[in-house]
Amino acid sequence: ETGVTQTPRHLVMGMTNKKSLKCEQHLGHNAMYWYKQSAKKPLELMFVYNFKEQTENNSVPSRFSPECPNSSHLFLHLHTLQPEDSALYLCASSQDLGGAFTDTQYFGPGTRLTVL
Amino acid sequence: DQQVKQNSPSLSVQEGRISILNCDYTNSMFDYFLWYKKYPAEGPTFLISISSIKDKNEDGRFTVFLNKSAKHLSLHIVPSQPGDSAVYFCAANFGNEKLTFGTGTRLTIIP
Repeated sequence: ETGVTQTPRHLVMGMTNKKSLKCEQHLGHNAMYWYKQSAKKPLELMFVYNFKEQTENNSVPSRFSPECPNSSHLFLHLHTLQPEDSALYLCASSQDLGGAFTDTQYFGPGTRLTVL
Repeated sequence: DQQVKQNSPSLSVQEGRISILNCDYTNSMFDYFLWYKKYPAEGPTFLISISSIKDKNEDGRFTVFLNKSAKHLSLHIVPSQPGDSAVYFCAANFGNEKLTFGTGTRLTIIP
């Protein structure tokens, strides 16, 4: 496979469940990102990893826990979510952060999450 | 406070005509601007960018114009094709700051 892949594509979970979203990039990039896309809101950056190190946590609640075991894989662990967390979660990667967040980011297809 | 605004949630254009998508920003520090295109069930894909040292950047049918004094940029697509139907996101940043995205404009090209 090429590009950025995300699994699952759709996820329905209860508020007490624990689930994980997975992202994998096959582009040899060093930086990976989690974004949240809620209806009628701008794309919101959640986390950034560069060379497996977290460089940005955009005031995300602790019920979202990222993990980056290597430069190709990124996880988002979900626990005790709220219905308002229902959204499209997008993963992206870029060559690296460089001097700015201007490196072209390549996005995965997203996971559509519904919290009941 | 939304620093990047796309005030038109949707736009319909006849095939072959020009599509103009607009984006306004409030942060005068922004010096790099990008447009992303998103099809349903896919992630956004990078389309075109412009640095604040320029006022125009062209790539095939796509041209981005930047008006720094008005804090406004626009994406022109000409001629518009059915495959251009998608949601278009404007994004901006400066220095080491993260990209700030607009809410998107859904473009529909009418055959």
